[in-house]
Amino acid sequence: DTEVTQTPKHLVMGMTNKKSLKCEQHMGHRAMYWYKQKAKKPPELMFVYSYEKLSINESVPSRFSPECPNSSLLNLHLHALQPEDSALYLCASSQVLTGGVGGYTFGSGTRLTVV
Amino acid sequence: SQKIEQNSEALNIQEGKTATLTCNYTNYSPAYLQWYRQDPGRGPVFLLLIRENEKEKRKERLKVTFDTTLKQSLFHITASQPADSATYLCALDMGGNNRLAFGKGNQVVVIP
Repeated sequence: DTEVTQTPKHLVMGMTNKKSLKCEQHMGHRAMYWYKQKAKKPPELMFVYSYEKLSINESVPSRFSPECPNSSLLNLHLHALQPEDSALYLCASSQVLTGGVGGYTFGSGTRLTVV
Repeated sequence: SQKIEQNSEALNIQEGKTATLTCNYTNYSPAYLQWYRQDPGRGPVFLLLIRENEKEKRKERLKVTFDTTLKQSLFHITASQPADSATYLCALDMGGNNRLAFGKGNQVVVIP
């Protein structure tokens, strides 16, 4: 299995809702990532997990809460979002030491709309 | 801070020609540099990785060069095909810990 699977593909939520984005991979990658991408912009790094521990938080607002329950799963919990948080949320995985062996594998993303 | 610069203008190219894209960075040379392809509404797809001690890397019709003196990477698609039409993103390691940052991307349109 060489894929990163993200669910749901589309999500519409109100500003008072709580929802979660899910990401799963079975490639044995021990680094997993959340990126946010707005239209016609590059992906922006939000969080990095390495060996199931949060290693990087790029000053993301606390209304985004990541969780890595095990080496195959990554969640992003959403609460009290703002309309400007509407974007494509991408999950990715890689081997921890990417400099030697290869790139990141991205999922197809969750298209999030906050109303 | 490190900046990654890619030409924001779309590159229109005739089928069969070579498309060349440029990625410049401003400060320290990264340990490695990656190139990705992204189609609308989809996640980026990894194409090639080149390390700082490598001058050139090839994969099928793709070629990447890395010049740490010029602080530049060039990405070539030879014998371009309409199916190569996409946005191509340059990505750099921003100092370790798997902190990968992307350039704005360069759209390529291959005209039949």
